[in-house]
Parts: sequence; C-alpha cells; structure tokens
Amino acid sequence: DTGVSQDPRHKITKRGQNVTFRCDPISEHNRLYWYRQTLGQGPEFLTYFQNEAQLEKSRLLSDRFSAERPKGSFSTLEIQRTEQGDSAMYLCASSLGTDNYEQYFGPGTRLTVT
Amino acid sequence: AQSVTQLDSQVPVFEEAPVELRCNYSSSVSVYLFWYVQYPNQGLQLLLKYLSGSTLVKGINGFEAEFNKSQTSFHLRKPSVHISDTAEYFCAVSGLYNFNKFYFGSGTKLNVKP
Repeated sequence: DTGVSQDPRHKITKRGQNVTFRCDPISEHNRLYWYRQTLGQGPEFLTYFQNEAQLEKSRLLSDRFSAERPKGSFSTLEIQRTEQGDSAMYLCASSLGTDNYEQYFGPGTRLTVT
Repeated sequence: AQSVTQLDSQVPVFEEAPVELRCNYSSSVSVYLFWYVQYPNQGLQLLLKYLSGSTLVKGINGFEAEFNKSQTSFHLRKPSVHISDTAEYFCAVSGLYNFNKFYFGSGTKLNVKP
C-alpha cells in the first residue's frame, strides 16, 4: 500500500521564479486536496478536486496559483512569480469518497523563496 | 464556517504521565472532528475521528478523545505517554455537509521528557 507521495520534498527558488509541485494520491482515491502550512500554524485549505474537476478554491489561492488534476490521478500545483510570502510547506491529501471522511496526507513539499 | 482553537502551543510532560491536549471548535452546523499527529519531516497521520455515535472515541497508539457538544470541545487524552509520542498534534473540524474542507487548529507540540 503506497501512500500519498509528493515531489519534490524541498524546493528553494528565487523570488519571481515559477515553481511546480506534484502530488500522487493513493491510487483508488478520487478526492485530492491541497493545503498550505506556515511555520507555527496548522494546515490551511487551498483547493479540492473530485476526479479531474476542481470543485472548490480558497481565497488564499491567488491568481498566481493554479492547480490541475488532468486525468483524475496525479495533481500539480504551480506558483507563478513566487514571493517570499509563499514560503511554506505545501501538503497534499487524498480520500476515498463520500463514505470515508479520512484524508490521507503526503509528506509535503517545503518551499523556500529567497 | 468552522474554526478550531488549540489553547496550548506546547505541552511538556514526563514519560509515563497522563496528558490532555485541548481543542475547542466553533461552528454553526454539526461537525466531524479529527486529531492528527505530525512527526518531524513527515506528513499528518490520523489518530482518531468522531463522526457520530459514542462521544468517547479511541484511536491509535493508546490515544482517546471525548466529544462534548455543549462545550464544543474535543480534547485528546492518553493515560501514559512515551518518549515516542513527542510530536505535534493538530485538531481539525469539517462541516457535516461540507466535509471536503478541513479546518485545522494551530497545533500543540507535545514534548515527552525522560
């Protein structure tokens, strides 16, 4: 049983650069979530997919952020023109569906914007 | 919308002592409640969840939590902690009809001392 995987685990980038993160959910899970966790805080919801459809986006997800899940399997989160305030841990989670409310989390991608 | 307050940012405790980590939530609708644990450099792992039924919920690693609707609380307890319980613990809530989104507290760092 492979869990949720995320790549890369760490990313250091210069301000203004674009970055893309990948999340591979547990294979039979049709729901996928992105969260952001800053130092000393709990995860904050960013967006949610059911299969390939993006059904909800947080106001935290500015125009510079875009997420996709093209075939209902893996997902990517892209941040354009990164800012220092984007430095955080980006967490991906997946869940099975309406009868299972548990979200399974990946190890996260730690982004540092210099 | 829902929100979660974890009153203690850090809880130091000696090994084999009991511990309680406090969680209070705010919601205008019925909720589901969760406790997650995060070990250093790892993703979040579910400890236990309350969906319905008995208000006393037992989870993994000897943890349990009690749902108290009148006090809007979901405190986590363990009768005897181990060094290996040292981690950060997050309480989370989702609305009964919008369980796609988790709201997390800011976390409590449990530091178990020998």
